[in-house]
Amino acid sequence: ETGVTQTPRHLVMGMTNKKSLKCEQHLGHNAMYWYKQSAKKPLELMFVYSLEERVENNSVPSRFSPECPNSSHLFLHLHTLQPEDSALYLCASSQDLGLAGGYTQYFGPGTRLTVL
Amino acid sequence: QKEVEQNSGPLSVPEGAIASLNCTYSDRGSQSFFWYRQYSGKSPELIMFIYSNGDKEDGRFTAQLNKASQYVSLLIRDSQPSDSATYLCAVNAPSGSARQLTFGSGTQLTVLP
Repeated sequence: ETGVTQTPRHLVMGMTNKKSLKCEQHLGHNAMYWYKQSAKKPLELMFVYSLEERVENNSVPSRFSPECPNSSHLFLHLHTLQPEDSALYLCASSQDLGLAGGYTQYFGPGTRLTVL
Repeated sequence: QKEVEQNSGPLSVPEGAIASLNCTYSDRGSQSFFWYRQYSGKSPELIMFIYSNGDKEDGRFTAQLNKASQYVSLLIRDSQPSDSATYLCAVNAPSGSARQLTFGSGTQLTVLP
């Protein structure tokens, strides 16, 4: 495997279900991100992890719960979602957070989530 | 006011022409600027990034940055039908958090054969 992988690629769930999205990066990066992409809207940053520590939580509802057990893996645990949570969920990674300058984020293929 | 603005398009150009994609940003302290391409149903892929005022060329792509005007553009020379995609402009947002990239809504480009 190369780059950033995500599983599953498609997920349909009911509002009472609990599911998890998985992301794995094979780039040796230290930072990982979760984004939400809804139709006709900009990418929305949800969470940022650096060296397994959460450094950003952009007012995301508690029904989304991230987990970063190591620098290569990132999970997004989902429970009691709403239909408006249906979207493409993208994972990304970067070498570091690049506070002083730029940093490049590489995206996984995404999980297309549909909440019924 | 949106932090990163792009014309949503669609922008149509004939094959072989130059496609010009524009992006403006509101945070004058932004330091890094990225262009991503996203094919329908796929994830964004990085085309190029630029940090300094002026032009940066990579193959058929040229990024132009004017920090005084808070403007960044992407030129695609000799456009091909395979360039048809949505192009996302992303800017780092130091005023909020240096860790964040703020994305525009994207410009949909269609290159007509």
